[in-house]
Amino acid sequence: SQKIEQNSEALNIQEGKTATLTCNYTNYSPAYLQWYRQDPGRGPVFLLLIRENEKEKRKERLKVTFDTTLKQSLFHITASQPADSATYLCALEDYGQNFVFGPGTRLSVLP
Amino acid sequence: DTAVSQTPKYLVTQMGNDKSIKCEQNLGHDTMYWYKQDSKKFLKIMFSYNNKELIINETVPNRFSPKSPDKAHLNLHINSLELGDSAVYFCASSQGDRGYSYEQYFGPGTRLTVT
Repeated sequence: SQKIEQNSEALNIQEGKTATLTCNYTNYSPAYLQWYRQDPGRGPVFLLLIRENEKEKRKERLKVTFDTTLKQSLFHITASQPADSATYLCALEDYGQNFVFGPGTRLSVLP
Repeated sequence: DTAVSQTPKYLVTQMGNDKSIKCEQNLGHDTMYWYKQDSKKFLKIMFSYNNKELIINETVPNRFSPKSPDKAHLNLHINSLELGDSAVYFCASSQGDRGYSYEQYFGPGTRLTVT
């Protein structure tokens, strides 16, 4: 059966360090992969999208990689700040616009 | 201006009742979605609606039905509410076009509590 996992339910890091979040999937062949941020009591907010034929995408302090052989995406936040504390969700999408979200990783950046 | 709005924000109702949640987007998007986020925070797609084509997640009970009066609105009707329906429901929208991927814009969510 299809399965999406995100490395850990919660991740604590020190301010200024790089946060690395992992999204692994099995029995799925996504055409695209998206990352979202969700704050408590709010809807998810889009961060980055990467296509199956792309290896890496960057946006300001954010970087995402996509390895279809390993069936894994890594999401990096460099020079992390307490304001980056939130839950981060990966979402797989096929060509039919069918979305499957991962369970999320709750990131806490400690000052 | 709010891109995707939902009403109500909170909904408390008793088992067996029928209720609706409204969603409106002012982004001119072609595709709208309904998601359910349960107490474990899993976000699961329920429906996607694109140019009058409805795609239903097969796990969604037929007590749930989306209604789209026009391209900017996708309302969710729920009949015979059950305790397990308690969750936060999110509406979202994106540009259409199958074969391409676009970011989704989510509404603020509606917290439904069934007692």
